[in-house]
Amino acid sequence: GVTQSPTHLIKTRGQQVTLRCSSQSGHNTVSWYQQALGQGPQFIFQYYREEENGRGNFPPRFSGLQFPNDSSELNVNALELDDSALYLCASSVGTGSSGANVLTFGAGSRLTVL
Amino acid sequence: QKEVEQNSGPLSVPEGAIASLNCTYSDRGSQSFFWYRQYSGKSPELIMSIYSNGDKEDGRFTAQLNKASQYVSLLIRDSQPSDSATYLCAVRNTGGFKTIFGAGTRLFVKA
Repeated sequence: GVTQSPTHLIKTRGQQVTLRCSSQSGHNTVSWYQQALGQGPQFIFQYYREEENGRGNFPPRFSGLQFPNDSSELNVNALELDDSALYLCASSVGTGSSGANVLTFGAGSRLTVL
Repeated sequence: QKEVEQNSGPLSVPEGAIASLNCTYSDRGSQSFFWYRQYSGKSPELIMSIYSNGDKEDGRFTAQLNKASQYVSLLIRDSQPSDSATYLCAVRNTGGFKTIFGAGTRLFVKA
């Protein structure tokens, strides 16, 4: 499956954070979502073959990386109080494959910004 | 207009009843549609995917898609208390570079 770390973390405003994700074996696409309490997941960006190929309405201080070994990172700089949320990583296989675009989610990383 | 809209609920149904969940989307070129279930404190998990107009059944769940009306629905037959969760409608956009989620509908099944 998809594994994420850390599961919980607390940061202060202005700090930087790195969240990590290991995709499901065989998946070539990873997406990151932000889910505030009581809201649906908000799309941050998608990576395919180590390149960002889709981005939601998030500022540039949200950045990411995808590595050849199926792992990925979400980096957030200059943390703001509103960044407090559950961050979900999801992996999938691309269009044209069986089960294409079905997202498999990790358990998430809960970030609290004080 | 939101890209994917759902009634936030809560929707409350008695055990054994049919729960009907609805979703509309704005991107007319969308080709892939999904329903995910999210229990409190957990991550979303796929229930159904649907790609063509009509109905798709899987056990107690039926997904319905009407692309002309830009409408997706999920029916849960013989609802059980264990079905109590938030149901998220998700749509893959034209071009396929993002999957957009609705805000979710909270379902309560009363025993």
